[in-house]
Amino acid sequence: DIVMTQTPSSQAVSAGEKVTMSCKSSQSLLYNENKKNYLAWYQQKPGQSPKLLIYWASTRESGVPDRFIGSGSGTDFTLTISSVQAEDLAVYYCQQYYNFPPLTFGSGTKLEIK
Amino acid sequence: EVQLQESGPGLVKPSQSLSLTCSVTGYSITSNYWGWIRKFPGNKMEWIGHISYSGSTSYNPSLKSRISITRDTSKNQFFLQLNSVTTEDTATYYCASAYYDGTYYYNFFDYWGQGVMVTVSS
Repeated sequence: DIVMTQTPSSQAVSAGEKVTMSCKSSQSLLYNENKKNYLAWYQQKPGQSPKLLIYWASTRESGVPDRFIGSGSGTDFTLTISSVQAEDLAVYYCQQYYNFPPLTFGSGTKLEIK
Repeated sequence: EVQLQESGPGLVKPSQSLSLTCSVTGYSITSNYWGWIRKFPGNKMEWIGHISYSGSTSYNPSLKSRISITRDTSKNQFFLQLNSVTTEDTATYYCASAYYDGTYYYNFFDYWGQGVMVTVSS
């Protein structure tokens, strides 16, 4: 199984600040034939179901604000929120879809707003 | 737009079976891949398995001996059965659709149901 490790487990930032969170995979998620990284990010707000933010490590889903930026390749990935808003309070998950079964998720980063 | 809705009992006794239904509107389940994912208390997320447009299935090896995912195309529903549950199966269960770019299906999820919380307790 591909193990996904997310850090930190939680962090608190003030509105307007930039925040970064990390996701590392136990093996490369880069598929050489198409040069794509098989990595997605989700946002789960309290009381809601997960929402797809980013796929192919850096492609924003339609309607996702451009303050959400995915980057990285291979085994190291980052989700950046360039200017955090109060509405960004959520748990953020990464998920690999390079190899399955099973598909695997990271343990999540909980974002709190000071 | 695709909409998914889970339904099923919120309380199951240990050793019994958990049965959930996902009702899909706005898209035929004979297209795409349809998955079950659960989130445990404390935030851990686990992929359970999926059923494809053709009815083929893929399961998490950690659960494979206990789970079955089936479908009823006439009702546009798919189902999860998890046998011999224990308290460790207490979680919120989601159904979701895999991403389709018009040519290929990819195993990340763009539409999710609202989730159903299932507690395993005597």
